Amino acid sequence: SQQGEEDPQALSIQEGENATMNCSYKTSINNLQWYRQNSGRGLVHLILIRSNEREKHSGRLRVTLDTSKKSSSLLITASRAADTASYFCATDTGRRALTFGSGTRLQVQP
Amino acid sequence: EAGVVQSPRYKIIEKKQPVAFWCNPISGHNTLYWYRQNLGQGPELLIRYENEEAVDDSQLPKDRFSAERLKGVDSTLKIQPAELGDSAVYLCASSPQGVGETQYFGPGTRLLVL
Repeated sequence: SQQGEEDPQALSIQEGENATMNCSYKTSINNLQWYRQNSGRGLVHLILIRSNEREKHSGRLRVTLDTSKKSSSLLITASRAADTASYFCATDTGRRALTFGSGTRLQVQP
Repeated sequence: EAGVVQSPRYKIIEKKQPVAFWCNPISGHNTLYWYRQNLGQGPELLIRYENEEAVDDSQLPKDRFSAERLKGVDSTLKIQPAELGDSAVYLCASSPQGVGETQYFGPGTRLLVL
């Protein structure tokens, strides 16, 4: 079963625009992580936000976490064609390995 | 620093044949994971090792899947016999220690069962 679910499933934007994708989860977490996967490749870790944090930045990435709503969002600002990939949220409940959502497929048009 | 290495990258076999995947984690990483990723889905955990001990294999279909991590370093995942539904990408990941940490993924092995 998948703990996290991303929304939207697919997103297409123009280069330079911002991209926002959301993740909802079901049970209490220790942390939530976002990963990127380019076509045919493995996953690459982007950012980790702990349950006691509300917002975190890394370069053009901004992640928010609302534990009361059990949701997180990933914002990519000033998107580039190279940002085209699938983005997954993954939750850590402290009991098992990370549980991944089904991902958002982002297409950035040049 | 070398990343997680997996081989082969691609494998095509006929159903009922055996297949094996190999993973070499990042040096010093005690925790190793095998995931299966179906098309359009996120990775799903098959098995997690802490050193050489399998600490979570509840999602591993034990009738046909087996795994080992000898000496707590390299790991092999085997399917015997393979079924059509096993077609997927098999991902190996490692982390320094324990659950909840950042995981480092290999490129995966794409398996096609005909």
